[in-house]
Amino acid sequence: DSGVTQTPKHLITATGQRVTLRCSPRSGDLSVYWYQQSLDQGLQFLIHYYNGEERAKGNILERFSAQQFPDLHSELNLSSLELGDSALYFCASSQLDSHTDTQYFGPGTRLTVL
Amino acid sequence: AQSVTQLDSQVPVFEEAPVELRCNYSSSVSVYLFWYVQYPNQGLQLLLKYLSGSTLVKGINGFEAEFNKSQTSFHLRKPSVHISDTAEYFCAVSAIQGAQKLVFGQGTRLTINP
Repeated sequence: DSGVTQTPKHLITATGQRVTLRCSPRSGDLSVYWYQQSLDQGLQFLIHYYNGEERAKGNILERFSAQQFPDLHSELNLSSLELGDSALYFCASSQLDSHTDTQYFGPGTRLTVL
Repeated sequence: AQSVTQLDSQVPVFEEAPVELRCNYSSSVSVYLFWYVQYPNQGLQLLLKYLSGSTLVKGINGFEAEFNKSQTSFHLRKPSVHISDTAEYFCAVSAIQGAQKLVFGQGTRLTINP
């Protein structure tokens, strides 16, 4: 158990819908990262937040958005869902905003778009 | 930009045999290197990381990896594997400056046969 929690564990929805994935970082961690794992793209970095501020963006679609709240939990919002958005979405957290920090991964949310 | 190539998508070995999982990377800047393991239906767990210093890095569960700068490689090894090592292994890099993100390889599925 990494200490990072993600809800829900599974999500099944239809094309065109909107969903919100939630992540609670380890106690004391200020950085939150989101990654997408799909069969065709592998593991891809989406976005990084540190203490409520966006720090870096990766291959995140315009239909996707994220935020980190004052209590440090983060939400990833996916809208106008397409079949290709079906994937495992991981959240990771680290203590600070340093390249040497270890990122601790949550168990993931499996999104299925029908 | 960085990229990571894991040379084997699947590696089958017998229990108690040695194993090497190969990883090569490409980057125009200096990087930190990581190996993560993903057990079935779980998130990623850090095995080991190379930041600086000795090029031979020891990690958890008896794994070690050697950083070779001239060959831009970071191969993972274990002298004697167990059934419990069956998992997917991911090599990743992170640039030492700029966007703080992990760039992953496609993964190597390690299967241990009794």
